[in-house]
Amino acid sequence: EPEVTQTPSHQVTQMGQEVILRCVPISNHLYFYWYRQILGQKVEFLVSFYNNEISEKSEIFDDQFSVERPDGSNFTLKIRSTKLEDSAMYFCASISPAYEQYFGPGTRLTVT
Amino acid sequence: AQKVTQAQTEISVVEKEDVTLDCVYETRDTTYYLFWYKQPPSGELVFLIRRNSFDEQNEISGRYSWNFQKSTSSFNFTITASQVVDSAVYFCALSEAQKDSSYKLIFGSGTRLLVRP
Repeated sequence: EPEVTQTPSHQVTQMGQEVILRCVPISNHLYFYWYRQILGQKVEFLVSFYNNEISEKSEIFDDQFSVERPDGSNFTLKIRSTKLEDSAMYFCASISPAYEQYFGPGTRLTVT
Repeated sequence: AQKVTQAQTEISVVEKEDVTLDCVYETRDTTYYLFWYKQPPSGELVFLIRRNSFDEQNEISGRYSWNFQKSTSSFNFTITASQVVDSAVYFCALSEAQKDSSYKLIFGSGTRLLVRP
Protein backbone atom coordinates (compact mmCIF):
# COMPACT_ATOMS: atom_id res chain seq x y z
CA GLU A 1 0.00 0.00 0.00
CA PRO A 2 1.43 3.41 -0.94
CA GLU A 3 2.49 5.62 1.93
CA VAL A 4 3.93 9.03 2.62
CA THR A 5 7.62 8.87 3.50
CA GLN A 6 9.76 11.43 5.29
CA THR A 7 13.48 11.86 5.82
CA PRO A 8 15.29 12.17 8.11
CA SER A 9 13.40 10.66 11.02
CA HIS A 10 15.36 12.81 13.46
CA GLN A 11 17.36 15.98 12.81
CA VAL A 12 19.45 17.80 15.38
CA THR A 13 20.65 21.27 14.46
CA GLN A 14 22.09 24.34 16.10
CA MET A 15 20.14 27.53 16.46
CA GLY A 16 20.54 29.75 13.38
CA GLN A 17 21.24 26.87 11.02
CA GLU A 18 19.15 26.04 7.98
CA VAL A 19 17.35 22.71 7.79
CA ILE A 20 15.53 20.98 4.99
CA LEU A 21 12.94 18.33 5.76
CA ARG A 22 12.02 15.99 2.96
CA CYS A 23 8.84 14.19 2.07
CA VAL A 24 7.65 11.94 -0.72
CA PRO A 25 3.84 12.16 -0.91
CA ILE A 26 1.69 9.41 -2.37
CA SER A 27 1.97 9.57 -6.14
CA ASN A 28 -1.61 10.21 -7.28
CA HIS A 29 -2.33 12.76 -4.55
CA LEU A 30 -2.68 16.41 -5.51
CA TYR A 31 -2.57 18.42 -2.29
CA PHE A 32 0.42 18.32 0.03
CA TYR A 33 0.78 19.68 3.52
CA TRP A 34 3.18 20.33 6.34
CA TYR A 35 2.02 20.26 9.94
CA ARG A 36 3.95 20.48 13.17
CA GLN A 37 3.40 19.11 16.64
CA ILE A 38 5.29 20.56 19.57
CA LEU A 39 5.86 17.86 22.15
CA GLY A 40 2.68 17.04 24.04
CA GLN A 41 0.56 19.47 22.07
CA LYS A 42 -1.90 19.27 19.23
CA VAL A 43 -1.06 19.06 15.56
CA GLU A 44 -0.95 22.48 13.86
CA PHE A 45 -1.30 23.28 10.17
CA LEU A 46 1.63 25.08 8.57
CA VAL A 47 1.08 25.16 4.82
CA SER A 48 -0.77 23.54 1.94
CA PHE A 49 0.59 23.17 -1.58
CA TYR A 50 -1.35 22.56 -4.76
CA ASN A 51 -0.49 22.84 -8.41
CA ASN A 52 3.10 23.84 -7.59
CA GLU A 53 2.20 26.73 -5.37
CA ILE A 54 1.19 27.50 -1.82
CA SER A 55 -2.61 27.44 -1.53
CA GLU A 56 -2.82 28.40 2.12
CA LYS A 57 -0.45 29.07 5.01
CA SER A 58 -0.88 29.66 8.71
CA GLU A 59 0.46 32.46 10.89
CA ILE A 60 3.22 30.11 12.00
CA PHE A 61 4.53 29.87 8.43
CA ASP A 62 6.50 33.11 8.40
CA ASP A 63 9.38 34.23 6.17
CA GLN A 64 11.72 31.72 7.80
CA PHE A 65 9.79 28.89 6.19
CA SER A 66 9.55 27.88 2.55
CA VAL A 67 8.29 24.86 0.64
CA GLU A 68 9.28 23.43 -2.68
CA ARG A 69 8.46 20.59 -4.98
CA PRO A 70 11.78 20.41 -6.80
CA ASP A 71 10.85 17.39 -8.91
CA GLY A 72 7.85 15.16 -9.52
CA SER A 73 8.11 13.29 -6.25
CA ASN A 74 9.81 15.26 -3.44
CA PHE A 75 8.18 17.92 -1.31
CA THR A 76 10.45 19.87 1.02
CA LEU A 77 10.11 22.22 3.96
CA LYS A 78 13.02 24.59 4.58
CA ILE A 79 13.57 26.54 7.75
CA ARG A 80 16.17 29.22 7.02
CA SER A 81 17.43 30.12 10.48
CA THR A 82 16.17 27.76 13.13
CA LYS A 83 15.11 28.92 16.57
CA LEU A 84 14.76 26.90 19.75
CA GLU A 85 10.99 27.11 19.45
CA ASP A 86 11.11 25.36 16.07
CA SER A 87 11.83 22.11 17.92
CA ALA A 88 8.87 19.88 17.12
CA MET A 89 7.72 16.89 15.14
CA TYR A 90 7.07 17.90 11.53
CA PHE A 91 4.56 15.87 9.59
CA CYS A 92 4.07 15.81 5.85
CA ALA A 93 0.67 14.77 4.52
CA SER A 94 -1.08 14.33 1.21
CA ILE A 95 -4.72 14.03 0.34
CA SER A 96 -6.31 11.25 -1.66
CA PRO A 97 -8.94 11.75 -4.38
CA ALA A 98 -11.44 10.71 -1.66
CA TYR A 99 -10.21 13.59 0.53
CA GLU A 100 -8.58 11.32 3.07
CA GLN A 101 -5.42 12.90 4.41
CA TYR A 102 -2.53 10.53 5.03
CA PHE A 103 0.47 11.45 7.12
CA GLY A 104 4.10 10.49 6.94
CA PRO A 105 5.90 9.14 10.01
CA GLY A 106 7.25 12.58 10.90
CA THR A 107 10.65 14.20 11.34
CA ARG A 108 11.62 15.09 14.88
CA LEU A 109 13.55 18.38 14.74
CA THR A 110 15.64 19.29 17.75
CA VAL A 111 17.20 22.75 17.81
CA THR A 112 19.96 23.24 20.37
CA ALA B 1 -13.83 30.22 12.50
CA GLN B 2 -13.35 26.50 12.74
CA LYS B 3 -12.66 24.79 16.03
CA VAL B 4 -12.50 21.25 17.37
CA THR B 5 -12.90 20.52 21.06
CA GLN B 6 -11.92 17.29 22.75
CA ALA B 7 -12.84 17.94 26.35
CA GLN B 8 -11.45 14.66 27.69
CA THR B 9 -7.72 15.09 28.19
CA GLU B 10 -7.09 11.58 29.48
CA ILE B 11 -9.18 8.47 29.89
CA SER B 12 -8.11 5.31 31.68
CA VAL B 13 -10.03 2.07 31.33
CA VAL B 14 -9.48 -1.57 32.07
CA GLU B 15 -9.13 -3.94 29.15
CA LYS B 16 -12.44 -5.13 27.66
CA GLU B 17 -14.31 -2.03 28.79
CA ASP B 18 -16.06 0.09 26.17
CA VAL B 19 -14.89 3.68 25.92
CA THR B 20 -16.25 6.72 24.07
CA LEU B 21 -14.08 9.64 23.02
CA ASP B 22 -15.98 12.88 22.55
CA CYS B 23 -15.47 15.43 19.79
CA VAL B 24 -17.39 18.67 19.31
CA TYR B 25 -16.73 20.92 16.35
CA GLU B 26 -17.60 24.43 15.19
CA THR B 27 -17.77 25.58 11.61
CA ARG B 28 -19.77 28.00 9.50
CA ASP B 29 -19.28 25.86 6.41
CA THR B 30 -22.15 23.77 5.16
CA THR B 31 -19.78 21.28 3.57
CA TYR B 32 -16.98 19.84 5.64
CA TYR B 33 -15.18 16.65 6.57
CA LEU B 34 -14.56 15.13 9.97
CA PHE B 35 -11.70 12.81 10.81
CA TRP B 36 -10.27 10.68 13.57
CA TYR B 37 -6.58 9.84 13.84
CA LYS B 38 -4.70 7.60 16.24
CA GLN B 39 -1.23 8.55 17.48
CA PRO B 40 0.40 5.56 19.20
CA PRO B 41 3.49 6.01 21.41
CA SER B 42 5.69 5.59 18.32
CA GLY B 43 4.40 9.01 17.17
CA GLU B 44 2.93 8.49 13.72
CA LEU B 45 -0.58 9.68 12.85
CA VAL B 46 -2.77 6.84 11.69
CA PHE B 47 -5.88 7.67 9.67
CA LEU B 48 -9.01 5.99 11.08
CA ILE B 49 -12.01 7.55 9.36
CA ARG B 50 -13.32 10.43 7.28
CA ARG B 51 -16.97 11.49 7.30
CA ASN B 52 -18.53 14.15 5.14
CA SER B 53 -21.11 16.57 6.44
CA PHE B 54 -23.89 15.11 4.30
CA ASP B 55 -23.56 11.63 5.67
CA GLU B 56 -24.89 11.22 9.20
CA GLN B 57 -25.00 7.46 9.13
CA ASN B 58 -23.11 5.87 11.95
CA GLU B 59 -20.19 3.73 10.93
CA ILE B 60 -18.78 0.56 12.43
CA SER B 61 -15.43 -0.98 11.65
CA GLY B 62 -14.64 -3.98 13.82
CA ARG B 63 -14.43 -2.75 17.41
CA TYR B 64 -14.56 0.88 16.33
CA SER B 65 -17.74 2.88 15.77
CA TRP B 66 -18.46 6.52 15.11
CA ASN B 67 -21.55 8.56 15.91
CA PHE B 68 -21.97 11.73 13.87
CA GLN B 69 -24.73 14.08 15.02
CA LYS B 70 -25.03 17.34 13.15
CA SER B 71 -27.69 18.65 15.55
CA THR B 72 -25.15 18.69 18.38
CA SER B 73 -22.04 19.21 16.17
CA SER B 74 -20.51 16.07 17.58
CA PHE B 75 -18.52 13.21 16.10
CA ASN B 76 -17.88 10.72 18.87
CA PHE B 77 -15.74 7.62 18.68
CA THR B 78 -16.41 4.42 20.59
CA ILE B 79 -14.04 1.52 21.08
CA THR B 80 -15.80 -1.66 22.13
CA ALA B 81 -13.99 -4.25 24.25
CA SER B 82 -10.85 -2.12 24.49
CA GLN B 83 -7.42 -3.71 24.27
CA VAL B 84 -4.03 -2.63 25.55
CA VAL B 85 -2.97 -1.94 21.94
CA ASP B 86 -5.65 0.75 21.78
CA SER B 87 -3.59 2.88 24.17
CA ALA B 88 -2.73 6.03 22.22
CA VAL B 89 -3.64 9.66 21.76
CA TYR B 90 -6.70 10.08 19.57
CA PHE B 91 -7.25 13.26 17.58
CA CYS B 92 -10.46 14.49 16.04
CA ALA B 93 -10.05 16.88 13.11
CA LEU B 94 -12.16 19.01 10.78
CA SER B 95 -11.56 20.29 7.28
CA GLU B 96 -13.60 22.64 5.16
CA ALA B 97 -14.66 21.23 1.82
CA GLN B 98 -15.85 24.21 -0.16
CA LYS B 99 -14.68 24.98 -3.66
CA ASP B 100 -11.18 26.49 -3.58
CA SER B 101 -10.62 25.06 -0.13
CA SER B 102 -7.17 23.85 0.78
CA TYR B 103 -8.71 21.01 2.84
CA LYS B 104 -6.33 21.74 5.69
CA LEU B 105 -7.06 19.91 8.93
CA ILE B 106 -7.93 21.68 12.16
CA PHE B 107 -7.14 19.33 15.02
CA GLY B 108 -8.53 19.02 18.50
CA SER B 109 -6.14 18.83 21.41
CA GLY B 110 -6.39 15.05 21.58
CA THR B 111 -7.54 12.51 24.16
CA ARG B 112 -4.95 10.21 25.70
CA LEU B 113 -6.44 6.75 26.17
CA LEU B 114 -4.77 4.32 28.51
CA VAL B 115 -6.05 0.76 28.49
CA ARG B 116 -4.79 -1.18 31.50
CA PRO B 117 -4.53 -4.97 31.46
